[in-house]
Amino acid sequence: DIQMTQSPASLAASVGDTVTITCRASENIYYSLAWYQQKQGKSPQLLIYNANSLEDGVPSRFSGSGSGTHYSMKINSMQPEDTATYFCKQAYDVPWTFGGGTKLEIK
Amino acid sequence: EVKLVESGGGLVQPGGSLKLSCAASGFTFSSYTMSWVRQTPEKRLEWVAYISNGGGSPYYPDTVKGRFTISRDNAKNTLYLQMSSLKSEDTAMYYCARHLLGGYAMDYWGQGTSVTVSS
Repeated sequence: DIQMTQSPASLAASVGDTVTITCRASENIYYSLAWYQQKQGKSPQLLIYNANSLEDGVPSRFSGSGSGTHYSMKINSMQPEDTATYFCKQAYDVPWTFGGGTKLEIK
Repeated sequence: EVKLVESGGGLVQPGGSLKLSCAASGFTFSSYTMSWVRQTPEKRLEWVAYISNGGGSPYYPDTVKGRFTISRDNAKNTLYLQMSSLKSEDTAMYYCARHLLGGYAMDYWGQGTSVTVSS
């Protein structure tokens, strides 16, 4: 199985900060990576797919990048509504696997 | 509006069975591949089953293979997950999710149904 190592596990940022979350795959996943946002008590929502494609309706302050085994998601100008847990997921090979999550809070 | 509504969760004893349902609306259900994903009490996400839009080609991780069966009824716009030989580690919130057309990212998720396996 492909292991997804996500970091950091948690972080706190101030409004307006740039936030970066990274995911490392145990093997090349050829851009087959998605990022999800899960707010407290809600189901996950898709933010980014194919490593860098923004899902419809997602604010443009979110962006994704990376290749091979290293991927990242960036939030330009953190907003209070971005408080959530973020997960990466590889869809290159079954079983599809998720990272452990990054809990993002407002400082 | 796309809606996915899960049902069927509950408390079940180890070794027991449970069948989850996911009622879909607001889109052409028969055109989309679907999955079930669970979230453990520790908040870890685990994909547990996938089915093609026509109902074939199911995939499962080894953790549930042979115990879980995914199916769908396109006439009823409903996805199912039959779970048997349940273990305590199957305790989780179970979500159904729709895949992007032509891809494997999950663009819509239901609100989840809770399964607790305990004696």
